[in-house]
Amino acid sequence: DIQMTQSPSSVSASVGDRVTITCRASQGISSWLAWYQQKPGKAPKLLIYAASSLQSGVPSRFSGSGSGTDFTLTISSLQPEDFATYYCQQANSFPGTFGPGTKVDIK
Amino acid sequence: EVQLVESGGGLVQPGRSLRLSCAASGFTFDDYAMHWVRQAPGKGLEWVSGISWNSGSIGYADSVKGRFTISRDNAKNSLYLQMNSLRAEDTALYYCAKGRGDPTVDYFDYWGQGTLVTVSS
Repeated sequence: DIQMTQSPSSVSASVGDRVTITCRASQGISSWLAWYQQKPGKAPKLLIYAASSLQSGVPSRFSGSGSGTDFTLTISSLQPEDFATYYCQQANSFPGTFGPGTKVDIK
Repeated sequence: EVQLVESGGGLVQPGRSLRLSCAASGFTFDDYAMHWVRQAPGKGLEWVSGISWNSGSIGYADSVKGRFTISRDNAKNSLYLQMNSLRAEDTALYYCAKGRGDPTVDYFDYWGQGTLVTVSS
C-alpha cells in the first residue's frame, strides 16, 4: 500500500495567517491527491481533488499544489471557521490511503 | 442538496454481525460509486469498501476482506454494509461516502454523519 505522511502533525496559527500543510506519498501518485477538512464531531469535507482542483463551494483561500510524491495545501488567510484537522488522501492505486492528519488550532 | 444518512450502528459482541444502511438523496444515486470509510475513536480515516454504480465492481480493504460485504439497491437509493465476525478493532464511526468514479480507489465528495459501531463484550 502507498503510505501517506503529513507535516506538521499540528500547527498553531492566528486568524489572517498563511498556513501550509505538506503531504508526502511513499511512491509517485501523479496528481491523484485530495485534501479533506474535518471539524470535531463532523464528517470530513472534500476541499481539493486532483491535487489542485477546488471542490465546488470551497472558498478560494484554499489551494493545493504538487505532483508525484510531494503536495501542499495552503490556506492563504486563515479564518475562524478553518480551525480543523486536515487529511490528504491518495487516489492513485488501491487502496486509497489517507494521511494521519494535521490539526490547525488557534495560537 | 446531497444527503447521506447512515443507520444500523450499535454495540455488538465480538464475533457477531451487524448491517449498516445508508439512505441517499439529492443526486442520481445509480450514476455513482459509493463507499464506506471508517474512523476509530480519536484516529484517522480508513477506506473500508466501495461499489460501482451497477454493483459490477467491488473493493475491500484487506482488514475487512472476507468478513464484510458491501451492496446497494438503486431502486431504494440505498447502500449497505454487512459486517460479520466483528472484532474489537472494527470499533469505529462508519461513514457512507459518495464517490466520483472508481469503486476501488476514489475521491469522496459527500459524506454522511456516520453511524457508530462498538464491538465489545
